[in-house]
Amino acid sequence: GIQVEQSPPDLILQEGANSTLRCNFSDSVNNLQWFHQNPWGQLINLFYIPSGTKQNGRLSATTVATERYSLLYISSSQTTDSGVYFCAVGGYNKLIFGAGTRLAVHP
Amino acid sequence: DTGVSQDPRHKITKRGQNVTFRCDPISEHNRLYWYRQTLGQGPEFLTYFQNEAQLEKSRLLSDRFSAERPKGSFSTLEIQRTEQGDSAMYLCASSLKGTGYGYTFGSGTRLTVV
Repeated sequence: GIQVEQSPPDLILQEGANSTLRCNFSDSVNNLQWFHQNPWGQLINLFYIPSGTKQNGRLSATTVATERYSLLYISSSQTTDSGVYFCAVGGYNKLIFGAGTRLAVHP
Repeated sequence: DTGVSQDPRHKITKRGQNVTFRCDPISEHNRLYWYRQTLGQGPEFLTYFQNEAQLEKSRLLSDRFSAERPKGSFSTLEIQRTEQGDSAMYLCASSLKGTGYGYTFGSGTRLTVV
């Protein structure tokens, strides 16, 4: 099956800093999504991005499908950005999630 | 649009008991998914419905697990003869059929088997 690797596993930032999270996957996919799981456990969909680049406020994502990786950029981080960021890949019927990047943003 | 609703939020049960969880997807979404998440891990796929048809099941879904989506609306996930290893967060998500649509997850049901 498809393998999904996320890096770094843990990240600690000061408020206002920028960061880049990476997701590598082992096979071609037609579905790639980034999620944020907040400290209360709620999974929020950030991007549907099987290829190309998208931006939403301070967040942006780029997927290079031919090279099987995706990047999530967080700019001017805020304490509310804390939580776990998951990359999930697959087809239209199911997603395979990575182990996540745990982000802590300190004031 | 009230999002994806899951009930109950928490369930504590004794080993060997049966439990049933409910998921109400976003009304216009025709795809519904169940995932399971254990502490420190990413969610794992359990099963997927398109309308009322269950189209795929993971090997994780042993014969003690059954899921239904009657009339293509809400879905239920039942676990029979619960075991301590079933303790996890059970997450439901829904989406529209087709490309370009992301998942919307519910808040989950946290199951603790004692």
